[in-house]
Amino acid sequence: GAGVSQSPSNKVTEKGKDVELRCDPISGHTALYWYRQSLGQGLEFLIYFQGNSAPDKSGLPSDRFSAERTGGSVSTLTIQRTQQEDSAVYLCASSLGYRKKEQFFGPGTRLTVL
Amino acid sequence: ELKVEQNPLFLSMQEGKNYTIYCNYSTTSDRLYWYRQDPGKSLESLFVLLSNGAVKQEGRLMASLDTKARLSTLHITAAVHDLSATYFCAVDTDNAGNMLTFGGGTRLMVKP
Repeated sequence: GAGVSQSPSNKVTEKGKDVELRCDPISGHTALYWYRQSLGQGLEFLIYFQGNSAPDKSGLPSDRFSAERTGGSVSTLTIQRTQQEDSAVYLCASSLGYRKKEQFFGPGTRLTVL
Repeated sequence: ELKVEQNPLFLSMQEGKNYTIYCNYSTTSDRLYWYRQDPGKSLESLFVLLSNGAVKQEGRLMASLDTKARLSTLHITAAVHDLSATYFCAVDTDNAGNMLTFGGGTRLMVKP
């Protein structure tokens, strides 16, 4: 079956521009996670969605970062006024739900901020 | 704050040798995951360990979990070049919410 998909696979942007990253979770998975992987910080949690509950935004590094999940499926991570330190690989993962926590990861979006 | 530490961070070994990667974590958890990442690729789930004493094996890799010691190990038996990758352990706890906290990764290079 189809796994988690993300788009674009690569994004190069100029400092100060806004970017949107998209994640399509595995069909039927109610939980969706965003992580960031960077050289300096390793793998960091950003935000978590579970069903229709309010998202857990505790990992978002600043108010320039936001995410939404429409219809309990596709999610978009938005970074406003990008900075060079935002350069990283953004990984999306999904799982069946709160108690079945094995997370399956997408291929990631490599963001480069010039 | 949950901390997860892996060691070694880098491991170069000869084919045919055995070695163990260690993953220590700082708070109570009975859910630990091992992932593999090839260069430029995403994370591939290897093992899910859900209870104290859990042991799982797949091919030349075996993972175990000791929740009392807050330690998981990933043992490599008779390494082959195809095992070259970066391996991450990750922990989640109810106290930490629903996210995974990852170790720093162990970059494994297996030389012929």
